[in-house]
Amino acid sequence: DAGVTQSPTHLIKTRGQHVTLRCSPISGHKSVSWYQQVLGQGPQFIFQYYEKEERGRGNFPDRFSARQFPNYSSELNVNALLLGDSALYLCASSMTRHETQYFGPGTRLLVL
Amino acid sequence: GENVEQHPSTLSVQEGDSAVIKCTYSDSASNYFPWYKQELGKRPQLIIDIRSNVGEKKDQRIAVTLNKTAKHFSLHITETQPEDSAVYFCASRTSGTYKYIFGTGTRLKVLA
Repeated sequence: DAGVTQSPTHLIKTRGQHVTLRCSPISGHKSVSWYQQVLGQGPQFIFQYYEKEERGRGNFPDRFSARQFPNYSSELNVNALLLGDSALYLCASSMTRHETQYFGPGTRLLVL
Repeated sequence: GENVEQHPSTLSVQEGDSAVIKCTYSDSASNYFPWYKQELGKRPQLIIDIRSNVGEKKDQRIAVTLNKTAKHFSLHITETQPEDSAVYFCASRTSGTYKYIFGTGTRLKVLA
């Protein structure tokens, strides 16, 4: 069984640009959550989607948005990138909202 | 707001000794507590979890204890091995929400 996959693995952008990160959950999992992990810190919750609807949102500005597709894959979009957006972006999937979350390998974003 | 404190931030032990990492959560409605191990450059991997209706759970050399009254939970690793060296994160999830609140991490070094 394939685990959670994310693309791209690494990304370099400049301030003001836009970025789209992608996540494919484990087969059969309907819930996807996004986290931002800044170097040396624990992951910070950004969004959770379940059955294509937003079910939770963390304390992130409106520049961050996401969506979930009919096949349960998900995209995280970040507009007007700031230097402080440089981080590892992790996607986690779970069968339902209540079940254990399993993380993908992450996308490492560097904003210059 | 919701918060999880984790101690210590770094921990060095001799191979074969035990390691204990402690977390304290703020939201008394939290009901699920996973522990993740993250090796350098890799995804967080679930190693053990505990639900609020259980006081202790063991899996081979790893155990987790939960004190709901004190809002503490701890990870115990016995007979440590060099491959246990990694950053360990605790997390809590509140009933009714679907986001994980992570601790700040503990860097464990097992010295051969």
